Amino acid sequence: QVKLVESGGGVVQPGGSLRLSCAASGFTFNNHGMHWVRQAAGKGPEWVAVIWFDGSNEDYADSVKGRFTISRDNSKNTLSLLMTSLRVDDTAVYYCARVALYALNYFDGMDVWGQGTTVTVSS
Amino acid sequence: QSVLTQAPSASGTPGQRVTISCSGSNSNIRSNAINWYQQLPGTAPKLLVYSTNQRPSGVPDRFSGSKSGTSASLAISGLQSEDEADYYCAAWDDSLHGYVFGTGTWVTVL
Repeated sequence: QVKLVESGGGVVQPGGSLRLSCAASGFTFNNHGMHWVRQAAGKGPEWVAVIWFDGSNEDYADSVKGRFTISRDNSKNTLSLLMTSLRVDDTAVYYCARVALYALNYFDGMDVWGQGTTVTVSS
Repeated sequence: QSVLTQAPSASGTPGQRVTISCSGSNSNIRSNAINWYQQLPGTAPKLLVYSTNQRPSGVPDRFSGSKSGTSASLAISGLQSEDEADYYCAAWDDSLHGYVFGTGTWVTVL
């Protein structure tokens, strides 16, 4: 079945780095744009980054621009998020999510989500 | 604080119709497609509405989306106990150059 599975979360000190991964299965990965979305405890979701289906373009929320890098390996059906210069306010559950093929554009609906991986930034 | 504002809570009895509002601006709701997500406790968000008023396959037609000007709405008709969840609107914001989620509305089924 269609599935996204995140991994790589953990506890890291402020200023540290972490790489998250998202393994896709059950669908043609290279047909879909992909997003990372995060959610701090008790808060609403926050969009983090998007990458085009072929990796040709990417975009970031201002809060992470210059610190986070989204990438994908279509040969391995894997999405990644490299997070550097981590701050306490980056603490959240991080989800990868698929752009729906029926969406108007890359920002009109994420139809498949992973279960999330938890990142805690603390000294 | 988000640029898309929702009431923190809403409620209704089984079978009732509940409407959730999302207030924004010219740079988001008026200009762009609206999405609605449902989030049950401890789970990932689920897409309920895309392109402002379209439902993905498998989403019951009890859920319907609309917008007028700088406001959007999600209506839930025939409210059921399993509809108890957080609901978030979302849209691209041209000014912020980002995809923004609303503040969220918790729906209680009385």
